[in-house]
Amino acid sequence: EDQVTQSPEALRLQEGESSSLNCSYTVSGLRGLFWYRQDPGKGPEFLFTLYSAGEEKEKERLKATLTKKESFLHITAPKPEDSATYLCAVQEQRGANNLFFGTGTRLTVIP
Amino acid sequence: NAGVTQTPKFQVLKTGQSMTLQCAQDMNHEYMSWYRQDPGMGLRLIHYSVGAGITDQGEVPNGYNVSRSTTEDFPLRLLSAAPSQTSVYFCASSYTGIKRGELFFGEGSRLTVL
Repeated sequence: EDQVTQSPEALRLQEGESSSLNCSYTVSGLRGLFWYRQDPGKGPEFLFTLYSAGEEKEKERLKATLTKKESFLHITAPKPEDSATYLCAVQEQRGANNLFFGTGTRLTVIP
Repeated sequence: NAGVTQTPKFQVLKTGQSMTLQCAQDMNHEYMSWYRQDPGMGLRLIHYSVGAGITDQGEVPNGYNVSRSTTEDFPLRLLSAAPSQTSVYFCASSYTGIKRGELFFGEGSRLTVL
């Protein structure tokens, strides 16, 4: 059973066209939810940590939010340099040494 | 700061050969881990270590060995390579405690097993 599901798989936006990426999760007890950005041929780069429902984090054009069942990564007025794959991962209260990653959303921002 | 350094970046092996992927970090992180990334699948944990001399298995440990003799280094050994081990391998490190999930990744090692 998948613990982390991301949607959509791919998203194409015009520059300036805001949208949201979804990460739904099923874990018995959430220790933390993490967003990463991955550029082609590179390792993932950490963006945000969310610990509890209702929490929000922002960085430039990105804002991450968390509910009890899902997280959203909102992208406001994206630029071409925001093009990347965005990965979501969850860490359970038990077995905290492992992160369970989703398959990612591949975002393309067209100038 | 170099961060997390992985070598080699690319490797081609024949079935049955063995090799070691190297990983070093210069951030004094106690936690180090190896993930593999395959198309259509999320990153999956192979092995991890919470400190020198301590290692443990992740989700997909079969066919791989690790050791941690120093804080800085965490090599991954493929004992007898199989085509199913064709993948991109990432080493990652982090602080312990509440920030364990904030991983710093290397740039990856792309392995092809023929």
